[in-house]
Amino acid sequence: DVKVTQSSRYLVKRTGEKVFLECVQDMDHENMFWYRQDPGLGLRLIYFSYDVKMKEKGDIPEGYSVSREKKERFSLILESASTNQTSMYLCASSSTGWGDWGNTGELFFGEGSRLTVL
Amino acid sequence: KQEVTQIPAALSVPEGENLVLNCSFTDSAIYNLQWFRQDPGKGLTSLLLIQSSQREQTSGRLNASLDKSSGRSTLYIAASQPGDSATYLCAVRTSGSRLTFGEGTQLTVNP
Repeated sequence: DVKVTQSSRYLVKRTGEKVFLECVQDMDHENMFWYRQDPGLGLRLIYFSYDVKMKEKGDIPEGYSVSREKKERFSLILESASTNQTSMYLCASSSTGWGDWGNTGELFFGEGSRLTVL
Repeated sequence: KQEVTQIPAALSVPEGENLVLNCSFTDSAIYNLQWFRQDPGKGLTSLLLIQSSQREQTSGRLNASLDKSSGRSTLYIAASQPGDSATYLCAVRTSGSRLTFGEGTQLTVNP
């Protein structure tokens, strides 16, 4: 089974702190994603990576950066945390969805990281 | 821009009932459509993936259909159980590798 692991389920940070959220997948997927989920706003894409060292801005990249130095790991960085970044953060991964048979492009999520910024 | 709508936003049914959740999308040029389940405070669990060339997929008591021309998908849950209570989201992949998500349907199955 595909496994997407997020390093922390719950974090509490202070305003202005630098925050790292880590995500690891074990299926050799090319694509990795970071979303945030807020009541009434649904899932919003922060950043997307389609290969090592490659990244693409999502819908709400402001205040965030990402790092993908290895294929299996995708990190979300809050350079200076603010209270409006209190949210549930969800990491996901998928294969490309084209090419080899069995490469379905199905998206798999981690358990989520609930971040509270005080 | 692709938009995905799920109706109803919330649904409460008695145990044992068969039910249908709806998902509609505005751009029919989709690559695939995926249904997810989310329990409170947890991540999303993939239920079914339908490729654009397929009409339906089945897994146990779940059946998902896809009608690209009308921009609709349905998730049919047979013989619902209290353990089916969760939020169900659909998402479509239009181009590249990004997905567009609906807001979800919150399902409650009462014993």
